[in-house]
Amino acid sequence: SQQGEEDPQALSIQEGENATMNCSYKTSINNLQWYRQNSGRGLVHLILIRSNEREKHSGRLRVTLDTSKKSSSLLITASRAADTASYFCATVGSSNTGKLIFGQGTTLQVKP
Amino acid sequence: EPEVTQTPSHQVTQMGQEVILRCVPISNHLYFYWYRQILGQKVEFLVSFYNNEISEKSEIFDDQFSVERPDGSNFTLKIRSTKLEDSAMYFCASSTLDRLNEQFFGPGTRLTVL
Repeated sequence: SQQGEEDPQALSIQEGENATMNCSYKTSINNLQWYRQNSGRGLVHLILIRSNEREKHSGRLRVTLDTSKKSSSLLITASRAADTASYFCATVGSSNTGKLIFGQGTTLQVKP
Repeated sequence: EPEVTQTPSHQVTQMGQEVILRCVPISNHLYFYWYRQILGQKVEFLVSFYNNEISEKSEIFDDQFSVERPDGSNFTLKIRSTKLEDSAMYFCASSTLDRLNEQFFGPGTRLTVL
């Protein structure tokens, strides 16, 4: 089944450092998305990268996509304590019904 | 900025009871979804809904679950006879028809089944 899996599962860094999270998936995709979830809260859409794109930027976020390796990475530059959250990648199911398939997520802790 | 809202934020119920979780999607969105997240686990798709019909449902979405758009603004998830394992965060999401993948999520309802 199509599935996004992130690594590492947990990441702890100091404020100001960069954080890199990776996601792998199994089947072909139209796009891949990254979401953030603060503890006990809802999901916030961060960025969507389409299958014909290799890199995308949004503020301090940089996402890459390698469809040959079926992987994506999310880079957060100059991290802040407020970036502490769980980060999930999500891919779209094979049906055209909008079903998102989420990975296990990476828990990021940014220490002040 | 428009947002998806959900009520209640926390629902506690006894096993076997019926619960209804409510969502108000973004007003111009036509596609609606429910997902759930058991504590410490990943977010799982339950169901997608369009034009008053279920578009797709997962294996989790068995006969105990139902969805409804009772009026022009609300979208509900009903669990007829709750089980302990239904305890989870339930997220509603919505999207436009031409951007199904760009879903906007509500803050979630934490369901606790005792």
